[in-house]
Amino acid sequence: EVQLVESGGGLVQPGMSLRLSCAASGFTFDDYAMHWVRLAPGKGLEWVSGISWNSGSAGYADSVKGRFTMSRDNAKKSVHLQMSSLRAEDTALYYCAKSVLPAAPRAFDIWGQGTMVTVSS
Amino acid sequence: AIQMTQSPSSLSASVGDRVTITCRASQGIRNDLGWYQQKPGIAPKLLIYAASTLQSGVPSRFSGSGSGTDFTLTISSLQPEDFATYYCLQDYNYPFTFGPGTKVEIK
Repeated sequence: EVQLVESGGGLVQPGMSLRLSCAASGFTFDDYAMHWVRLAPGKGLEWVSGISWNSGSAGYADSVKGRFTMSRDNAKKSVHLQMSSLRAEDTALYYCAKSVLPAAPRAFDIWGQGTMVTVSS
Repeated sequence: AIQMTQSPSSLSASVGDRVTITCRASQGIRNDLGWYQQKPGIAPKLLIYAASTLQSGVPSRFSGSGSGTDFTLTISSLQPEDFATYYCLQDYNYPFTFGPGTKVEIK
């Protein structure tokens, strides 16, 4: 079964850091770009970050650029999102998602269940 | 960053109705656009990618069209399970951007 499982969410104070992880199974992980998407309470979906199959390129939303870093470990079939200088507006459910086509970064066909990040003092 | 707009922001429709949602990009994005359905408490679901390619397992009542800056998602005959929020996403270049969403409600 193709599956993505996120972990690492929690309650954190403003200005602090947090690292999210996503474990993949059931597909050839190193063929596909991966992404993080978030859903803040009462808001719409926001693409956060994406990384190519070989870590050769990565992109970030303007709202997180310079504060978040996405990485992947193909040997361990996992991706990570290192979040620093967290703000209240980063509070959201964070989803890990897989691109639908090999070697192309677009369209997300498989999603995890999400991990909740709450930034509050 | 490319800005995405959607219209309408919400609509009320009945089972069996034909529903059309539009999405517009602030610049040309070829056909690099997808449509997603989201229901409360459930991860988003990919419906259409590359503007008009139906994702495997998605019912054929869903269809997409458009290229450049203007795109459309059509549900030919609305079913009870289709009441949800729909988002477009441009995946032409980083940063990818979602539209603000269209909530489809029961009339």
